[in-house]
Amino acid sequence: AQKVTQAQTEISVVEKEDVTLDCVYETRDTTYYLFWYKQPPSGELVFLIRRNSFDEQNEISGRYSWNFQKSTSSFNFTITASQVVDSAVYFCALRVTGGFKTIFGAGTRLFVKA
Amino acid sequence: DSGVTQTPKHLITATGQRVTLRCSPRSGDLSVYWYQQSLDQGLQFLIQYYNGEERAKGNILERFSAQQFPDLHSELNLSSLELGDSALYFCASSVVPTGSGNTIYFGEGSWLTVV
Repeated sequence: AQKVTQAQTEISVVEKEDVTLDCVYETRDTTYYLFWYKQPPSGELVFLIRRNSFDEQNEISGRYSWNFQKSTSSFNFTITASQVVDSAVYFCALRVTGGFKTIFGAGTRLFVKA
Repeated sequence: DSGVTQTPKHLITATGQRVTLRCSPRSGDLSVYWYQQSLDQGLQFLIQYYNGEERAKGNILERFSAQQFPDLHSELNLSSLELGDSALYFCASSVVPTGSGNTIYFGEGSWLTVV
């Protein structure tokens, strides 16, 4: 069975602080895909990144970076120099090869205060 | 803008009623997914269609049904509504359902409130 755990329910930071959102996944499959989505207060889900299980290179996109470690089954997301607009719920998700559904974590709500 | 269009954006209805949520996938996407996001259950997969055929089913209640039409738009029908059905219903689409690395893109969701 597959599972995604986002242990941090809520995180509150002050603007310009760095913040890391944790994601731990479980799967017995060797080929799988990991995703992060952002859900701002308006409600829509916005795709941020996709990672396949064979690519452990970390990725940086502007103030966002992702640390994928298969050894610990983690796919953590760091926001550098956070901004108020980063306030949202962030979801980590997993899909295994041949799987037709994406398993989502419970989400981490991030509050960034000015 | 993800390219996935959902209507209506907001809906308030009474218990026992029936509603239909509509979704137009991104241009070129053949696969459509429905998700329910409620406060206590998080984001739950309901059902997936590919090119008009049901491909996978998740935790979808028998009171709910969906279909994908020849023009690839999809509808989620919710009947005999209960208070607990109040949730945000997302539609998502992807090019194909397999090769699981395909990213799925979400619509803005339909807020359903059952009173």
